[in-house]
Amino acid sequence: GAVVSQHPSRVICKSGTSVKIECRSLDFQATTMFWYRQFPKQSLMLMATSNEGSKATYEQGVEKDKFLINHASLTLSTLTVTSAHPEDSSFYICSARDEGASGNTIYFGEGSWLTVV
Amino acid sequence: AQSVSQHNHHVILSEAASLELGCNYSYGGTVNLFWYVQYPGQHLQLLLKYFSGDPLVKGIKGFEAEFIKSKFSFNLRKPSVQWSDTAEYFCAVNAPNTDKLIFGTGTRLQVFP
Repeated sequence: GAVVSQHPSRVICKSGTSVKIECRSLDFQATTMFWYRQFPKQSLMLMATSNEGSKATYEQGVEKDKFLINHASLTLSTLTVTSAHPEDSSFYICSARDEGASGNTIYFGEGSWLTVV
Repeated sequence: AQSVSQHNHHVILSEAASLELGCNYSYGGTVNLFWYVQYPGQHLQLLLKYFSGDPLVKGIKGFEAEFIKSKFSFNLRKPSVQWSDTAEYFCAVNAPNTDKLIFGTGTRLQVFP
């Protein structure tokens, strides 16, 4: 079946630095990808919708200058957390829409644990 | 505010017990509905989805869900749970005319042998 891969699965960075998380659709093209954030024992919060070839659409309250999203190709979207702070530590999950599949199926990546120290 | 509600935050069952997890949404119009499962240490997986047609939807691993439009509900059921069903279950709604999936807060299911 369709697979969405995220890299890295775990990353530790120092406060003030930037870190990039990649989301790839491995066997389908995705014009739309989504980035979520999940706090421990909580639900997924949609951060932004990543659109291939255009600017991402951010949800209310999400700082677009802090969470940079680039969707440069039909199989890759990246999330860059800039000037990271400890409160940015979280589990980030991406998903991609397989528009070729019946019912526009959305597949999720494995998630990326970010720890800012 | 429009939302997705899962009223059961933590459910504990013995094996072979029946399961029903509630999901209610507040969006009007046509919606697409999903149930996802997240096993410990793993990523989200789709259990089942409803787009149109028969409101009783059958998914993987013996799960099913019933869409009741008048109640804005999409409850998940399984007649006999197994220890391996221990996981976090999320209901999600694809809001009308958007690409967004809005998730409920999740229900943690623990099944004891």
